Amino acid sequence: KQEVTQIPAALSVPEGENLVLNCSFTDSAIYNLQWFRQDPGKGLTSLLLIQSSQREQTSGRLNASLDKSSGRSTLYIAASQPGDSATYLCAVNRNNDMRFGAGTRLTVKP
Amino acid sequence: SAVISQKPSRDICQRGTSLTIQCQVDSQVTMMFWYRQQPGQSLTLIATANQGSEATYESGFVIDKFPISRPNLTFSTLTVSNMSPEDSSIYLCSATPSGGPETQYFGPGTRLLVL
Repeated sequence: KQEVTQIPAALSVPEGENLVLNCSFTDSAIYNLQWFRQDPGKGLTSLLLIQSSQREQTSGRLNASLDKSSGRSTLYIAASQPGDSATYLCAVNRNNDMRFGAGTRLTVKP
Repeated sequence: SAVISQKPSRDICQRGTSLTIQCQVDSQVTMMFWYRQQPGQSLTLIATANQGSEATYESGFVIDKFPISRPNLTFSTLTVSNMSPEDSSIYLCSATPSGGPETQYFGPGTRLLVL
């Protein structure tokens, strides 16, 4: 059974700092990995999708990497802003069987 | 892409009653899913809503408790039956436009509180 772990569970940084969120998974036979953002009491917003054949994806200040063989992904956020404060979830997908990590709760202080 | 809406956005219900949550997608999609997110926890898949046939439930979830309908390619409902306080959660609908493993799009969720 696929297990997805996210470290750290919570992170607080001052505005402007670069930061890395980590995601690990136990079964490397995945089709893709997706990073989501969730604001309190809200649904999920898709940030980046990395196919199993890809190594990384970039969108604006966000960069996600994937090392499938070692079962790891990172989400890099450059020049963090208070508006980035949210919970970030990673999910691994195998044939539409999507498994989520518990998330990293990020707070960016002005 | 797909834009997904859910109704209601939130509700407060009494123990023993049932609530039906609606999920509407702005385009035809192949796959639709229902998730539960209990307070402080991540998402857990309840079931895959299959168009024209019975939903496929994950371990720990049963049809009598969470009946699901999917009458067409853009709409699905999830009913939470005979509710108890333990059912207090956010319920999220998601969809993938085509049948392959690709980006899943999520609705805004329905926040349910059972007293």
